[in-house]
Amino acid sequence: AQKITQTQPGMFVQEKEAVTLDCTYDTSDPSYGLFWYKQPSSGEMIFLIYQGSYDQQNATEGRYSLNFQKARKSANLVISASQLGDSAMYFCAMREGWGYNKLIFGAGTRLAVHP
Amino acid sequence: GAVVSQHPSWVICKSGTSVKIECRSLDFQATTMFWYRQFPKKSLMLMATSNEGSKATYEQGVEKDKFLINHASLTLSTLTVTSAHPEDSSFYICSARDLAGGPSTDTQYFGPGTRLTVL
Repeated sequence: AQKITQTQPGMFVQEKEAVTLDCTYDTSDPSYGLFWYKQPSSGEMIFLIYQGSYDQQNATEGRYSLNFQKARKSANLVISASQLGDSAMYFCAMREGWGYNKLIFGAGTRLAVHP
Repeated sequence: GAVVSQHPSWVICKSGTSVKIECRSLDFQATTMFWYRQFPKKSLMLMATSNEGSKATYEQGVEKDKFLINHASLTLSTLTVTSAHPEDSSFYICSARDLAGGPSTDTQYFGPGTRLTVL
């Protein structure tokens, strides 16, 4: 079974509107971390936001927020007020267990922001 | 803060030669670094975990003799693609964890990547 699933290969959004990128995960470990990264066409991976499995509140970082629904095992990324510069690939990733463990990445979602 | 650099950013080499890629954490120390490979329009595939002062841990299916990893210091890990062939052409990205963040956050910061083309 896929550990991280991103079901949207591509998404379109109008500039200044909000968009939600879906991510579901599968783990039996009670301790885990969820991450979102942005990869522009230049290739670098830019860290956006982190959510720990024991965090009570949804993580927020500026225009990014993570809609964490633990029972559904989903960790959707919400980008508010989209900008043209948000056009990129977005990857959801999970770290299982506690400590310096590897990240497992989803297949990614390509977001295109239209003016 | 939390900047990771990679060198070179791109390299073209002939088949049969070896290529070394450096990954450096510029403003933090990292006992653990990770090497990923990414094919066009695909996700990142973890190749190996590089541990400072010890042997790297390779993922299943990754040839350790083909992809040599050396983590000589808390700020430097190197990946050497030995006897490169066209099928090794790919985008290689490293990442590093900031020790100061502790395991609870353990955010990985990524380098800008190295595009390898083997002719």
